[in-house]
Amino acid sequence: DIVLTQSPATLSLSPGERATLSCRASQSVGDYLAWYQQKPGQAPRLLIYDASKRATGIPARFSGSGSGTDFTLTISSLEPEDFGVFYCQQRNNWGLTFGGGTKVEVK
Amino acid sequence: QVQLQESGPGLVKPSQTLSLTCTVSGGSISSGDAFWSWIRQPPGKGLEWIGSIDYTATTDYNPSLKSRVAISVDTSKNQFSLKVTSVTAADTAVYYCARDPAIMNNEFDTRGSFDYWGQGTLVTVSS
Repeated sequence: DIVLTQSPATLSLSPGERATLSCRASQSVGDYLAWYQQKPGQAPRLLIYDASKRATGIPARFSGSGSGTDFTLTISSLEPEDFGVFYCQQRNNWGLTFGGGTKVEVK
Repeated sequence: QVQLQESGPGLVKPSQTLSLTCTVSGGSISSGDAFWSWIRQPPGKGLEWIGSIDYTATTDYNPSLKSRVAISVDTSKNQFSLKVTSVTAADTAVYYCARDPAIMNNEFDTRGSFDYWGQGTLVTVSS
């Protein structure tokens, strides 16, 4: 299995600040990495697929970068609705795996 | 707009079989442009992919669960289903069904990401 390690575990920021989340893979996943946001009591929402492509309806303040083993999700200026837990997920290797998550909370 | 809805018992006894169904609306499983997946999340923990199926009943399973899991499809009802046998407390989780599209934003070969999800259903394994 490919293990995805996310850091930091928790990010405390204020609205308007920039958020930078990291995901590291135990072996190369190429560009086949997605990012999801999950709010309490809700299903995850796809933000980014294939490392840098925004899913339908996702605002431009969300961007993804990276390839191989190191990936970054950036939220350029946090809106109140952007807080929650963010997960990365790889599709390079079947079984598909998710990272452990980064919680972005209001400072 | 594709919508998915999970249904099934919220409580299952240890050693028994967990059975859930996902009903798809706003899109047809038979269109063949997606796989249909099950993902679970133990309370307070992360996400685990269980497996996926398409309209021809072709399946992919998580190797760690493969021996206990079966996913099936009923295209006439636009539903797909999950069975997990010999459950233990470790199978207690919110179970989500989700769409795994083969095409996203007019790009092919995007299988393995999940763009539409059900709301999830909590299944507790307890006697």
